[in-house]
Order: sequence, then structure tokens, then C-alpha cells
Amino acid sequence: GIQVEQSPPDLILQEGANSTLRCNFSDSVNNLQWFHQNPWGQLINLFYIPSGTKQNGRLSATTVATERYSLLYISSSQTTDSGVYFCAVELGVGAGNMLTFGGGTRLMVKP
Amino acid sequence: EAGVAQSPRYKIIEKRQSVAFWCNPISGHATLYWYQQILGQGPKLLIQFQNNGVVDDSQLPKDRFSAERLKGVDSTLKIQPAKLEDSAVYLCASTPLRLAVFSYNEQFFGPGTRLTVL
Repeated sequence: GIQVEQSPPDLILQEGANSTLRCNFSDSVNNLQWFHQNPWGQLINLFYIPSGTKQNGRLSATTVATERYSLLYISSSQTTDSGVYFCAVELGVGAGNMLTFGGGTRLMVKP
Repeated sequence: EAGVAQSPRYKIIEKRQSVAFWCNPISGHATLYWYQQILGQGPKLLIQFQNNGVVDDSQLPKDRFSAERLKGVDSTLKIQPAKLEDSAVYLCASTPLRLAVFSYNEQFFGPGTRLTVL
């Protein structure tokens, strides 16, 4: 099956710092989503981004589908950004919207 | 708009006991998913429903897990009997009906049920 790898696995930042999280996938995908799982376990949608670039406040994401990777940028990090960031991909046509998740990047932002 | 509801939020049982989890998707969402998230890992899909029919249950351990969505709205996931390795968070997600092969709907997740098997 498809492999979804995220890096780095763990990241510690000082408040105010910027960071880039990466998601590599091993096959062509129909779609890609980025999620933030907060310390209480809730998965929150950040971006639906099968290709191109999107921005939402301090967060932005870029997916280069032809090269099979996506990047999530966090600028001016805040302690509330702490948690686990997952990318999830849907395989090609006929995959029925089923998502395969990466292993996540665990982010801790220190005050 | 209300989100995906799940209950209970926490459950502790002993191995070989039975347990059931409930999920109510976002109103009008035809597709419902159950995921298992083991500590330190990403969620893994167990089963997908569209209305009251099963789309995919290839990763559901059918010897002990079962799920139903009888009226095409809320759903129940059951484990009988539970094993220690079933300790995990069970997440429910939903999306609207997929209208075209190339269309995509974002999945929205509930808060999850954290299961501990002792």
C-alpha cells in the first residue's frame, strides 16, 4: 500500500519561531489533507490541498503532487500550536475518500 | 452546524469484556468512517459506510470487531471480546455524499473515544 512519511517526527520550538513540516508519499494521490491533533485528541482540519498553495493566517501549505510531497509552514509559532500534525492522503480514483495517515510530527512550542 | 458526536469519551474495561462506541455524524453527511488510533501513531481506517451500506471493511478485524449503521445516520462500533492491543482512541469521521469520482469532501472528525483494556 501507499507509504506516507512525515518529518521531522518531533520538533521543539521557542514561541515566535517559524517551522516547516514535510509529508512525502509513495504513490500518486487524489487528495491530501493536513490536520492538527490538539492535546485533547481532537483532529482539526487545517487544509485540503491536493496541489498548489493555500494560506490561512499564520499557516500555509504547499503540495507538489508531481514530486509527491507536501509542506506545512507555521510562522510566528504560539504555544497553542503544540500538538501533533498529520498529513493524510487519498489514493487515486476509486479509493472512496479513504485516507491513509502519516505518522505525524509532534510539535511542542515553549513560551 | 453541530460537529461529529461520539460517546462515551473514555472507557476502561478488562480483557475479554465487550464494549460499544456510538457515533452521530454531521447532519446530512452520507459517509461515515471509523478509525483506530494507537498511541503514537496516525489513525488507521477500520470501516467506511455510505448511508447504511459498507463501502470498505478490509481492515476491520472481523473476528472481534463489528459495526453497523442501520438507518444510515448514527453508527455503533463493537468489540467482543476485547484484547489488550485494542487499547486506542476510536475516531469517527463523516463527509457529505461524494457526487463524482474526482470530487473530494473533507473529512470531519469527532472527539474520539479513548479505550483502555486492562
